[in-house]
Amino acid sequence: SYELTQAPSVSVSPGQTASITCSGNRLGPKYFSWYQQKTGQSPVLLIYRDSGRPSGIPGRFSGSNSGSTATLTISGTQAMDEADYYCQAWDSNTVVFGGGTKLTVL
Amino acid sequence: QITLKESGPTMVKPTQTLTLTCTFSGFSLSANGEGVGWIRQPPGEALEWLALIHWDGDKFYNPSLKSRLAVTKDTPKNQVVLTLTDMDPVDTATYFCAHGNLDPHQYFDSWGQGTLITVPS
Repeated sequence: SYELTQAPSVSVSPGQTASITCSGNRLGPKYFSWYQQKTGQSPVLLIYRDSGRPSGIPGRFSGSNSGSTATLTISGTQAMDEADYYCQAWDSNTVVFGGGTKLTVL
Repeated sequence: QITLKESGPTMVKPTQTLTLTCTFSGFSLSANGEGVGWIRQPPGEALEWLALIHWDGDKFYNPSLKSRLAVTKDTPKNQVVLTLTDMDPVDTATYFCAHGNLDPHQYFDSWGQGTLITVPS
């Protein structure tokens, strides 16, 4: 089965750039999405189809895909960006989520 | 504006069947590309996808839970129902329903508030 791996945690200083990666265990789906989940809240779609940004999502959030690895980049990270981030793919008619990365803004 | 809300019991006994209803507004589940998915999250753990139903009636399930899951839709009522049989304490989690977009990548752009389901040991 297709699996997505994320680092459990990433730390970043305010104003710096944070990169969160998501690696598939094989060459698989064409596209990835990213979600942000703050404590006690429902997930929010940040990025769809690798780099699409829904309306209302700040421009400091961007995404890219190099084939089997997707990357979420947060430029000029703010304290409010401290949250869990999940990648997601659609492969062989199955939705797959990564294990999540906890972003700490120090 | 798309909204979704999950409803159902807050507690289910072991071996019983969980039935959850997702009531939504702001879209029609008869329109091309639309879908509703179910995702759960045990306390302190990651998101886990459960099931998805598309506008055309196609249904998709998490392979590891497929034998226990069923999803149906009632398009005129704007509702999707999830059933999970043979509940166990490990099924304790917050259950979310979400609006799915297939373009052709499947993603979820609006989520319900979630409902915590507890299965006592």
